[in-house]
Amino acid sequence: GAGVSQSPRYKVAKRGQDVALRCDPISGHVSLFWYQQALGQGPEFLTYFQNEAQLDKSGLPSDRFFAERPEGSVSTLKIQRTQQEDSAVYLCASSLGEGQMTYEQYFGPGTRLTVT
Amino acid sequence: AQSVTQLDSQVPVFEEAPVELRCNYSSSVSVYLFWYVQYPNQGLQLLLKYLSGSTLVESINGFEAEFNKSQTSFHLRKPSVHISDTAEYFCAVRNGGTSYGKLTFGQGTILTVHP
Repeated sequence: GAGVSQSPRYKVAKRGQDVALRCDPISGHVSLFWYQQALGQGPEFLTYFQNEAQLDKSGLPSDRFFAERPEGSVSTLKIQRTQQEDSAVYLCASSLGEGQMTYEQYFGPGTRLTVT
Repeated sequence: AQSVTQLDSQVPVFEEAPVELRCNYSSSVSVYLFWYVQYPNQGLQLLLKYLSGSTLVESINGFEAEFNKSQTSFHLRKPSVHISDTAEYFCAVRNGGTSYGKLTFGQGTILTVHP
């Protein structure tokens, strides 16, 4: 396929609602990353998958955030009971391999989440 | 912990003028360094990277960056900018000791090229 795709591109949620953000990585890419980009800031790491295994979730800001990649391809980032501070652009990136081969990450266009 | 500082949040320049976007990082271990560009309503695109070898790296559209270990810097330069270079630029660092490519980004620099 082309590049990394994300859906929806825009999401408005009322405070307290649950949301699910989808990422379709480049076919065959082993590594998948989620980042959060607040307004006027650089992206910040949330979590990392190698195939279906979530190897690092140290960046998830609270237990309301949950990510999965059950078949090692598509990933979903779920936010429960959304709060206003969750408003941000959520970026997904994938890369081809593991170890030293993961240096080039390809980013999706992001999902802009607005919590009202 | 690593951190990346981009010293200028906004850089306005006139077309065909030179530009430098500054980036400093802090890390106690070896690092890989990257510049990403983000055009309006688009995703981040890799502009150039330093992994090892020559400290001067170049992109296909005329940008270059030099890795300076002693000053822990990776400034981005272009000798003559175009209107189409207007975008936000992010410097990022990856810990060379990790087995995967978690990136730490700077805050971004908005480059605006005026005619």
